[in-house]
Parts: sequence; C-alpha cells; structure tokens
Amino acid sequence: GDSVTQMEGPVTLSEEAFLTINCTYTATGYPSLFWYVQYPGEGLQLLLKATKADDKGSNKGFEATYRKETTSFHLEKGSVQVSDSAVYFCALVNTGFQKLVFGTGTRLLVSP
Amino acid sequence: DGGITQSPKYLFRKEGQNVTLSCEQNLNHDAMYWYRQDPGQGLRLIYYSQIVNDFQKGDIAEGYSVSREKKESFPLTVTSAQKNPTAFYLCASRREAGAPNTEAFFGQGTRLTVV
Repeated sequence: GDSVTQMEGPVTLSEEAFLTINCTYTATGYPSLFWYVQYPGEGLQLLLKATKADDKGSNKGFEATYRKETTSFHLEKGSVQVSDSAVYFCALVNTGFQKLVFGTGTRLLVSP
Repeated sequence: DGGITQSPKYLFRKEGQNVTLSCEQNLNHDAMYWYRQDPGQGLRLIYYSQIVNDFQKGDIAEGYSVSREKKESFPLTVTSAQKNPTAFYLCASRREAGAPNTEAFFGQGTRLTVV
C-alpha cells in the first residue's frame, strides 16, 4: 500500500539556519503530496502542496518540490525562526483512493 | 468563517463509559475523517466517510463507532471496548474523497483522557 517516510526528529536548529526535512513516498500512479504543520495542542494546518511531478509548492518561506524520479518531497526553508518550531507532517493522496496517508511527523525546535 | 469545529477540547472518561466526540463542518465538504494521534506515532485513521450515510473503517477502527446522518456532522463514539482510548483525536474534511489534489482541513482536536 501507499506509505510516507519522514526523517526522525527532533531537528534542532538555531534561528536563521537552513532547514531540510526529508520525505519520501511509496505509491502507485500519480499521488498529490502535502506538507502540514501542527503547533502544540492544535490541529494540522496545510503548509503547501504539489499535485504533479516537478511542481514546487511554497508558502511562508517554505518550499518543496515533487520529485517523481526520487519519489521525494523534501521540505526546505532558507532561514528558520523560533516561531517555526512545530511538528511537520508529509502526506499523500493517491488517485482513486480516498485516504490521506501521513508520515510519522518531524518535530522542529528552533532556538534564539 | 468556514471551518471544522471539534468539541469538547478536553474530555475525561471513566473506565467502562462510552463517550462521543463531536465534529461539525460548514465547508460543504463531502468527505470526513477521524484520526487518532499518539506521541511519536503520527496520525492513524480510525474511520472515514465519503458521503452522507456511508462510512468505512480505517486502520484502527476497533472500539470506535461513527455515524454520518448529515453532511456537516461526523461524530465519533469511543466505546468501552477501546482498551487504550487516551489520545488526541483529530477530525478532518476534504471537498471530495476521490479528488487527490484537494487538501484536508482539520479541527483543533479533542484530548481524551481516561481517569
């Protein structure tokens, strides 16, 4: 079945550092890919998405490119802030299926 | 504003009790989902519904039940058969279940604790 694998956390960075959170997926066909963010005690919010190969999703300085050849959708940000501290989830929805499949989440901790 | 409302935010259950978690959306979405979140385990799908009066089991449906009598409502009952119900429960909706490029919208969650 479809699956999403994320790098283990926590990821600990200093403010203004470069961020990469790796995400790879296994799926048949052409899934759509998503990054969600969860702040403490809250639900998930959509951060960005990409619906076909080579698409780049971007929002609030975060970017991710849909790479079909490497089945990856890595999340990047050039300069993180303390307010970016949260848990980040990579997810996919595949054609013909009804379920969002999530990775296990990666916690990001940014210190001043 | 459109969105998903979960209630209550915190819920305490005694051993052997059934409790019901509310989820309401005013986004006119067809599909609705219930997820359970435990520390370090990500999100696990309990039940989902593609349309009114229809729902399917997810990966961890045992000990839970749902109904979908109205498009905007998808309540989750945690029964006494669920042996370890303490967790954070998240409800979500999507415009169409079968459209892969539509994102999910989430409620703020209900934290259930067994006392």
